[in-house]
Amino acid sequence: DAKTTQPTSMDCAEGRAANLPCNHSTISGNEYVYWYRQIHSQGPQYIIHGLKNNETNEMASLIITEDRKSSTLILPHATLRDTAVYYCIVRVGDDSWGKLQFGAGTQVVVTP
Amino acid sequence: DSGVTQTPKHLITATGQRVTLRCSPRSGDLSVYWYQQSLDQGLQFLIQYYNGEERAKGNILERFSAQQFPDLHSELNLSSLELGDSALYFCASSVEAGGADTQYFGPGTRLTVL
Repeated sequence: DAKTTQPTSMDCAEGRAANLPCNHSTISGNEYVYWYRQIHSQGPQYIIHGLKNNETNEMASLIITEDRKSSTLILPHATLRDTAVYYCIVRVGDDSWGKLQFGAGTQVVVTP
Repeated sequence: DSGVTQTPKHLITATGQRVTLRCSPRSGDLSVYWYQQSLDQGLQFLIQYYNGEERAKGNILERFSAQQFPDLHSELNLSSLELGDSALYFCASSVEAGGADTQYFGPGTRLTVL
């Protein structure tokens, strides 16, 4: 699986949009970009994933650049409950290997 | 709530002992994954089962073993426990076995080895 690079930490004001960048310059054509978050020792929570197109769900939006070498997770209106470690992961989208390879992630702190 | 359940929530035991962690996947999910999260290693993949069969192995020690039963629940057995095995153990499940399939995680079991 391609490696990802994320900032170590980010602060965000409550009510503002949080934009979390992720670089995955060695991503292959069949690799998906997944985002998870972990709130203080709880189980990782799935947020969103995409292959080429931008995606949006009730939690967040995922913007993938045209060359697919980077992506941005957008939390549109951050709340204090969004304080967590956010992980960007790329995975091969075939049947062969199901593991998730977690890096260090980005520690996001939402402040009042 | 992801729909994945894990028991027990907390486990405290002594070095040299053996413990069993249990995971029930979401209804309809055939794949179960086990991950370990320790302070110095982060989240590490241990092993995956799909419909009762071992599918993939990661950084799992020989002292550790797992199985998936016909009702699709899974157990992770840890034996000859050492202080360094203290960690959070997470189970995840997905419908199928592959890379485009979303994994949903349980709340974890916190293991403390004294």
